[in-house]
Amino acid sequence: DGGITQSPKYLFRKEGQNVTLSCEQNLNHDAMYWYRQDPGQGLRLIYYSQIVNDFQKGDIAEGYSVSREKKESFPLTVTSAQKNPTAFYLCASSTGVSGANVLTFGAGSRLTVL
Amino acid sequence: GQNIDQPTEMTATEGAIVQINCTYQTSGFNGLFWYQQHAGEAPTFLSYNVLDGLEEKGRFSSFLSRSKGYSYLLLKELQMKDSASYLCAVMDSNYQLIWGAGTKLIIKP
Repeated sequence: DGGITQSPKYLFRKEGQNVTLSCEQNLNHDAMYWYRQDPGQGLRLIYYSQIVNDFQKGDIAEGYSVSREKKESFPLTVTSAQKNPTAFYLCASSTGVSGANVLTFGAGSRLTVL
Repeated sequence: GQNIDQPTEMTATEGAIVQINCTYQTSGFNGLFWYQQHAGEAPTFLSYNVLDGLEEKGRFSSFLSRSKGYSYLLLKELQMKDSASYLCAVMDSNYQLIWGAGTKLIIKP
């Protein structure tokens, strides 16, 4: 079955450590996204990528980095520069970025900083 | 600034009908989406409206009025499994999605 796989589902990090969240899709979608979800707030876009080897900053890119070396993969690194990284992170993909752009989401990764 | 407003929480009874409202102020409009998200899970797509009017899909319907900056999601014959958060999102003129904070729907027997 086609879908998006995120790992790990739960992750604990000590302050000062970088962590990388994995996101893999087998939907043959061109566009991929990373969102952050905090209680009481809407989803906020961290980074997105429309094609391989290209990505754009979203609204809250500071303290995060991404790569898009393969169409299927879009890992997110949460660096030590991110001041408040504890959150639920959602990866998504779509066929494009305009029009009736339906997003397919992964199951999410919950990061907790100790 | 751009803004999406939805009620934080609603409660309804199994078998009843509930309407979840969404109002928006965005830079341009290229469509409005509704997603369902069960606690701790991925959001899943419910509906897309780009023209005024009602779109019906089984027990769920979504309405849009672009002149009023208003949409609602109507859920009929409520089931316990409908307990979830419902997210409203608008695509602005730059094709960026602006998300509401979501409405948590609690279904009681």
